[in-house]
Amino acid sequence: EAQVTQNPRYLITVTGKKLTVTCSQNMNHEYMSWYRQDPGLGLRQIYYSMNVEVTDKGDVPEGYKVSRKEKRNFPLILESPSPNQTSLYFCASSLSLGSGEQYFGPGTRLTVT
Amino acid sequence: GQSLEQPSEVTAVEGAIVQINCTYQTSGFYGLSWYQQHDGGAPTFLSYNALDGLEETGRFSSFLSRSDSYGYLLLQELQMKDSASYFCVVTTDSWGKLQFGAGTQVVVTP
Repeated sequence: EAQVTQNPRYLITVTGKKLTVTCSQNMNHEYMSWYRQDPGLGLRQIYYSMNVEVTDKGDVPEGYKVSRKEKRNFPLILESPSPNQTSLYFCASSLSLGSGEQYFGPGTRLTVT
Repeated sequence: GQSLEQPSEVTAVEGAIVQINCTYQTSGFYGLSWYQQHDGGAPTFLSYNALDGLEETGRFSSFLSRSDSYGYLLLQELQMKDSASYFCVVTTDSWGKLQFGAGTQVVVTP
């Protein structure tokens, strides 16, 4: 089944404890992206990647890192999480931006205390 | 700055037609997408316009006017399952930078 998977789905952590949210897609998509969703703000792009080893900042990259060593994986790293990073996170992938179509993962709900 | 404006909420009865407008002001424009998101779920793709005009996909249609920086999503023959949030999204460059609207909550009543 074609899908985007994220792990973990839920995470409660403490300020400053490094964490990684994994994202994997099995559709051989070149484009992948991370978003955060907060009430009243919609989705905001954190980082995106057009291909392996090519990443770029979205609107809200501060406090996050990403890497794209393989086409299928695009992990999101929070080196020192803070409470303002409490949010719902989505990973997405797309075969081609020319279609405008992205496939989203199920989301990761992160709480930083 | 960059902005995408869409109404926060629209209410309509089953069987009705709803139009969700989106006006945008962005540094670049490559296309306008629409996504649906049910409570607690992931966004799902509905349609995409890169050129002016109307795109129709079943009960949903999307329109774009690049000269007016404006688009809309038309939902016809509304069903209860259409109750959800709808987002307009602008692709602002060829590398994949995207801007999302804050979303429109559509409430369908019997």
